[in-house]
Amino acid sequence: AQSVSQHNHHVILSEAASLELGCNYSYGGTVNLFWYVQYPGQHLQLLLKYFSGDPLVKGIKGFEAEFIKSKFSFNLRKPSVQWSDTAEYFCAVKENYGNNRLAFGKGNQVVVIP
Amino acid sequence: DAGVIQSPRHEVTEMGQEVTLRCKPISGHDYLFWYRQTMMRGLELLIYFNNNVPIDDSGMPEDRFSAKMPNASFSTLKIQPSEPRDSAVYFCASSPVAGGAWANVLTFGAGSRLTVL
Repeated sequence: AQSVSQHNHHVILSEAASLELGCNYSYGGTVNLFWYVQYPGQHLQLLLKYFSGDPLVKGIKGFEAEFIKSKFSFNLRKPSVQWSDTAEYFCAVKENYGNNRLAFGKGNQVVVIP
Repeated sequence: DAGVIQSPRHEVTEMGQEVTLRCKPISGHDYLFWYRQTMMRGLELLIYFNNNVPIDDSGMPEDRFSAKMPNASFSTLKIQPSEPRDSAVYFCASSPVAGGAWANVLTFGAGSRLTVL
């Protein structure tokens, strides 16, 4: 079964610091990759996605993610975080061929200190 | 579009009571998903439907849980009888027409926070 690993569940950093969240998945075939964000008290929202093409994906609010196929990774980055980036971030993976199950990682709780 | 609409937003009930959570997906979306979110287990897929038909219910924890989708604009998740360990936030999500990569992009509802005492 597909599995998604996110490390460093709790991340605390100061404004203007750089952020990188790791995501690794276990499936060896073609995948679609996603990062979702959940702001405090809100529902999950799509941050960015990768389907094919350029492995460096730009998302909303200055986030980007890089798909490295050889490492089965899809790490999320932001060069300079803001207090408003305080949220929980979820990586999600779906096998390109197969059922429509989207497997989520357990999330990274990010707290940005002003 | 108002997005995915869930009700109730908050539910507090006592152990043994029946709980019904409701979801209205985005109009025109063919897929509907029910997820459960807890601190311990993160986001778990319980069941999903395609064109109102349950496709994969392998995530439903036990027989106390059931889900239905009587039409394209309404789904319910029922827990009977409820137990304290069912306390969680239950999210409904929908995604567009079958086929193509965009079918994989989920839009989530605001969630239903369930507390079973």
